[in-house]
Amino acid sequence: DVKVTQSSRYLVKRTGEKVFLECVQDMDHENMFWYRQDPGLGLRLIYFSYDVKMKEKGDIPEGYSVSREKKERFSLILESASTNQTSMYLCASSPLGQGAMNTIYFGEGSWLTVV
Amino acid sequence: GENVEQHPSTLSVQEGDSAVIKCTYSDSASNYFPWYKQELGKRPQLIIDIRSNVGEKKDQRIAVTLNKTAKHFSLHITETQPEDSAVYFCAASKGGYQKVTFGTGTKLQVIP
Repeated sequence: DVKVTQSSRYLVKRTGEKVFLECVQDMDHENMFWYRQDPGLGLRLIYFSYDVKMKEKGDIPEGYSVSREKKERFSLILESASTNQTSMYLCASSPLGQGAMNTIYFGEGSWLTVV
Repeated sequence: GENVEQHPSTLSVQEGDSAVIKCTYSDSASNYFPWYKQELGKRPQLIIDIRSNVGEKKDQRIAVTLNKTAKHFSLHITETQPEDSAVYFCAASKGGYQKVTFGTGTKLQVIP
């Protein structure tokens, strides 16, 4: 069974703080993703990575950065948290493949509140 | 980049009726179209997917159709049950190293 584990389920941070969201997957997947989920806006891609030390911007990368030093670990960093970054953050992974090989496996999500 | 539009945003049906959710995509190179179901408080999970070389796929009470020419695909749920109540997301991808783009979601409520 694929496991994508997000270390923090609920966080409350102050405006201006640096925030780290950690994600680990145990299936040796090449692709890893960070999505943000907001009501009415669906799942919006922040960053993704298809290999160690590789990263690609998604649709809403502003205010975020990522780090992938090991294949199984993908971190999302908020350099200076702001209240408009209050949201649910979902990490996900998928194997490298064509077509139906790209099933995405999600973590349980991290609820971040910035006050 | 790819843009995926999803309709309706909310859908209420009586138990036993059918539900249809529709999505359109913009990038004709997209070749993989999955659907994810997210129950309240849980993570999204894949329920069915379709590749661009297939027009329709069925799995028990759920089916997905794809019209490549019109660049739209739909999810059909027949004989709906209360446990079908959830948010459903469609998505599109070109596979391989490419990102997966999701629609905005449809909240389905099945009324007993």
